[in-house]
Formats: sequence, structure tokens, C-alpha cells
Amino acid sequence: AQSVTQPDIHITVSEGASLELRCNYSYGATPYLFWYVQSPGQGLQLLLKYFSGDTLVQGIKGFEAEFKRSQSSFNLRKPSVHWSDAAEYFCAVARNTGGFKTIFGAGTRLFVKA
Amino acid sequence: NAGVTQTPKFRILKIGQSMTLQCTQDMNHNYMYWYRQDPGMGLKLIYYSVGAGITDKGEVPNGYNVSRSTTEDFPLRLELAAPSQTSVYFCASSHGRNTGELFFGEGSRLTVL
Repeated sequence: AQSVTQPDIHITVSEGASLELRCNYSYGATPYLFWYVQSPGQGLQLLLKYFSGDTLVQGIKGFEAEFKRSQSSFNLRKPSVHWSDAAEYFCAVARNTGGFKTIFGAGTRLFVKA
Repeated sequence: NAGVTQTPKFRILKIGQSMTLQCTQDMNHNYMYWYRQDPGMGLKLIYYSVGAGITDKGEVPNGYNVSRSTTEDFPLRLELAAPSQTSVYFCASSHGRNTGELFFGEGSRLTVL
């Protein structure tokens, strides 16, 4: 069965510091991988996605993620965090079988301190 | 652009009551989904639809029903509400088989007392 694991429930970083959010997945084939961000009281917004090709993908708001097949990982990174990045981040996997059902991780809440 | 619109945003129900959460999208997306979000659990898929007249169960369908009579609308029906259905519900849509990106509504917070 597919599953997504985000090992960190919450992370606190200082503004200007670098960020890495971890994501590991379990899936029997090459998955479609996503990172979404959720601000308080809002729906989720896509940050970036990986389908195939270059394993380092760029997203919005200065985020990037790297797909590592050998480690079944898709970690999200940002070189310099801004206070506005404080939110909850969800890693997700999907399979394209009659509906593109997406499975989400439990989320990592990011706190940014001044 | 309205995108995905959900109503109501907040609702309190008594145990055993029924209600419908409305979802409409104006992007002409074929695929629509209902998720519930519980603290520390991420999002769980309740039902999804690949087009008008076609629906299927997700991970947690018990206690819910859906219909898809038009491309735009995908209402979620709760029959005999239970405290376990207290959650935040999100409707989402996506364009087609090869994009995968989900567009979300702002959510509907439901409390069952």
C-alpha cells in the first residue's frame, strides 16, 4: 500500500536560516510526488511537483525538492526562510489510475523565529 | 477567478442530523475530490469523481455519500452525523489524468455535538 511519512511533526528555524523538510514514501512504482503548503485557515496550495526527468525540481516561493529513488525520499528545501513561510507543509504521492488519487503525509508545521 | 468554492465554512450539527457540504468549481475540471483533515493525520480521501455521473470511494467513505450530476458540482452528504465526523472538510479538483495538481477550496469546519 502507498504511504507517505513526514518524520517531523514540527520544526522551528530562525528567519534567514536554511530549511529542509523530510519526506519518505512507500510505493511500488515511480510515483508522482508533490509538496503542498497550508496557511492557517486556508486550503492547500501546490509548491512543486515531480513526475519524471530532472530529479531536482524548483517550485514557487523559492522552494526546491530533490527526488532520490534509492532513498524513497522527496525532501523540500529552501536556502533562506522568511517569516511568511510559517505554515504547514504536506508531502503527497499520487498514482495515475482512473482518478489520480493523492495520498498525503501527516504534515510538518514550520515555525519561524525572528 | 473563484476556483473551488465550498459552503458552508462552519457548521455545528447534533448527533443524528444530516447535512450537505456544497462544492463547486469553475475551472471545468473533470476530477473532483473530498478530503477530511484531522490534526496530525494529514488529509484522508473520502470520495472522488472522474466526471459527471461517476463517483468512487476513497480511504474513509463510511458515513458519507456523494453525487456528481454536473461537471461543476460535487456535494458531500453526511447522513446521521456522529462525533467522529467532526473535522475540516476540503473539496479539491484537478484538470486531468496527467497533471495531478489539486486545487483546493478553503475548507468547511464541521463540529458534531
